[in-house]
Amino acid sequence: GNSVTQMEGPVTLSEEAFLTINCTYTATGYPSLFWYVQYPGEGLQLLLKATKADDKGSNKGFEATYRKETTSFHLEKGSVQVSDSAVYFCALILSSGSARQLTFGSGTQLTVLP
Amino acid sequence: DAGVIQSPRHEVTEMGQEVTLRCKPISGHNSLFWYRQTMMRGLELLIYFNNNVPIDDSGMPEDRFSAKMPNASFSTLKIQPSEPRDSAVYFCASSSDPGQPQHFGDGTRLSIL
Repeated sequence: GNSVTQMEGPVTLSEEAFLTINCTYTATGYPSLFWYVQYPGEGLQLLLKATKADDKGSNKGFEATYRKETTSFHLEKGSVQVSDSAVYFCALILSSGSARQLTFGSGTQLTVLP
Repeated sequence: DAGVIQSPRHEVTEMGQEVTLRCKPISGHNSLFWYRQTMMRGLELLIYFNNNVPIDDSGMPEDRFSAKMPNASFSTLKIQPSEPRDSAVYFCASSSDPGQPQHFGDGTRLSIL
């Protein structure tokens, strides 16, 4: 079956530090990959996506590159801010087949300290 | 544009009572999803609809849970009778197609006493 494995949290960083949250996946086909972010008290919001190998998704200073050879989609940001404190979810959808459901990772809590 | 709208935002009730959660998807979206989020189990897909038809309800925990989508602009998730272990945040999400990114509502925080 399909699965997403995320780096376990919580992760605590100082403002302006470099962020990496690891994500690897297992899928029977060729998935599209996503990062969602959940701020306190809110629903999940799509942060970025990549639909094929070597694509780079980017948004709000965050980046992730679809690596088929390592089945990974690690999230990075060069300089985090306090406002980036949230829970980050890696997810995939298969691009074919009837079971077109999002498969989520377990989420990684990020806290950025001033 | 209005996003996914859920109501109520918070619900506190006693065990045994019926609970109804409501969702209005984004206009034009054909797929609707109900999720449950808890600290212990994370984010779980309960059921999803495509064009108002339930496609996969394998995530519905038991017969006490039921979901309906009578039209393209409204869905309900009902728990009857409710139990304390049902306490969680319930999210509704919609997308233009099951394979497209989903847009989430702000959730209903449910507490069963």
